[in-house]
Amino acid sequence: SQQGEEDPQALSIQEGENATMNCSYKTSINNLQWYRQNSGRGLVHLILIRSNEREKHSGRLRVTLDTSKKSSSLLITASRAADTASYFCATWWGAQKLVFGQGTRLTINP
Amino acid sequence: KAGVTQTPRYLIKTRGQQVTLSCSPISGHRSVSWYQQTPGQGLQFLFEYFSETQRNKGNFPGRFSGRQFSNSRSEMNVSTLELGDSALYLCASSLELSGANVLTFGAGSRLTVL
Repeated sequence: SQQGEEDPQALSIQEGENATMNCSYKTSINNLQWYRQNSGRGLVHLILIRSNEREKHSGRLRVTLDTSKKSSSLLITASRAADTASYFCATWWGAQKLVFGQGTRLTINP
Repeated sequence: KAGVTQTPRYLIKTRGQQVTLSCSPISGHRSVSWYQQTPGQGLQFLFEYFSETQRNKGNFPGRFSGRQFSNSRSEMNVSTLELGDSALYLCASSLELSGANVLTFGAGSRLTVL
């Protein structure tokens, strides 16, 4: 498969806790992206990290990238109920298409 | 600016029928990509259009087709519908399709085939 693998497939935490999800991919990349999808809706771009970057922050999001291990992680700090969604990592297959992992389904319990 | 608009949002068809879905990209975006999302297969790339030309195609049967108009609006068509075609169909646009761009997605068209 061209897709990455996300881990865990599902994650349930209490509001205020941190959520960490991981992504592994198979090919060399120029960048890796994370998207969020609320139930049954379109995807929303969250953050892009380039291959020469090791860590990137955006608000409560922190993304790391380890190209030697072909893996990335997304950390959401101080989670909120509104963070309940599915999260996908995505990498470019050449310059032809953006391929997505299977996603992590995150549930934030009040 | 307006986002990516997909119509219709929901539709129900029966096996053997055909369906056409529409996507209006963000103004100025010339690349439109289509994805099929199902619980079992996840997000699968269907095809991508740029300047009215299909540049990339995923691994789907010929029943799935698309086109792009001169104003960058795109349509996809599925003929001879099968139960397995039930899915959320997502359209995404970008200025150009390159290894550095991000995609802006529409809300999707939910197709149910009975």
